[in-house]
Amino acid sequence: GAGVSQSPSNKVTEKGKDVELRCDPISGHTALYWYRQRLGQGLEFLIYFQGNSAPDKSGLPSDRFSAERTGESVSTLTIQRTQQEDSAVYLCASSLRAGGVVEQFFGPGTRLTVL
Amino acid sequence: EDQVTQSPEALRLQEGESSSLNCSYTVSGLRGLFWYRQDPGKGPEFLFTLYSAGEEKEKERLKATLTKKESFLHITAPKPEDSATYLCAVQGGGSEKLVFGKGTKLTVNP
Repeated sequence: GAGVSQSPSNKVTEKGKDVELRCDPISGHTALYWYRQRLGQGLEFLIYFQGNSAPDKSGLPSDRFSAERTGESVSTLTIQRTQQEDSAVYLCASSLRAGGVVEQFFGPGTRLTVL
Repeated sequence: EDQVTQSPEALRLQEGESSSLNCSYTVSGLRGLFWYRQDPGKGPEFLFTLYSAGEEKEKERLKATLTKKESFLHITAPKPEDSATYLCAVQGGGSEKLVFGKGTKLTVNP
């Protein structure tokens, strides 16, 4: 079956511009996560969605970052007024459910470069 | 704060030379420890979940083990196609997020 898909695969932008990154989770997966992977660093949790519950935004690094999810489908991560330190690979993951221990399945990521 | 430390940062092996990767962790109420494999330019690929100390899981040439403080990923008679970065992550009590280590980059030479 289809895995998690993300678009675009690469995004180059200028400092100060806004960017939108998209994630399509595995069909039927109710939980969706965003992580950031900076060069040489481990994955950092950003935000988590589960069904219609309020999202866990505890990992968002600043108010320039926001994310939305429509029901149990597509999610978009928006970064406003991008800075050079936002350059990273942004990874989306989905899982069958939340609560308990469940495997998260990752997409290929969007590589963001801020010039 | 939950923390994961992986060692070594990089490991070079000859084909057939067995070795182990280490993942040390501190977490409040471990719910699960995960191993992923990541190839260049791709997202992490799920390998194993371990739930409690003493548990072991195997898949082909890989075997993961868990104690109360660390996990090991044993690679037996590796092949060049096992070359990748191996990531360890933990899920703590009351949390849905995973906390990742920086990974071990494994290179297996033919």
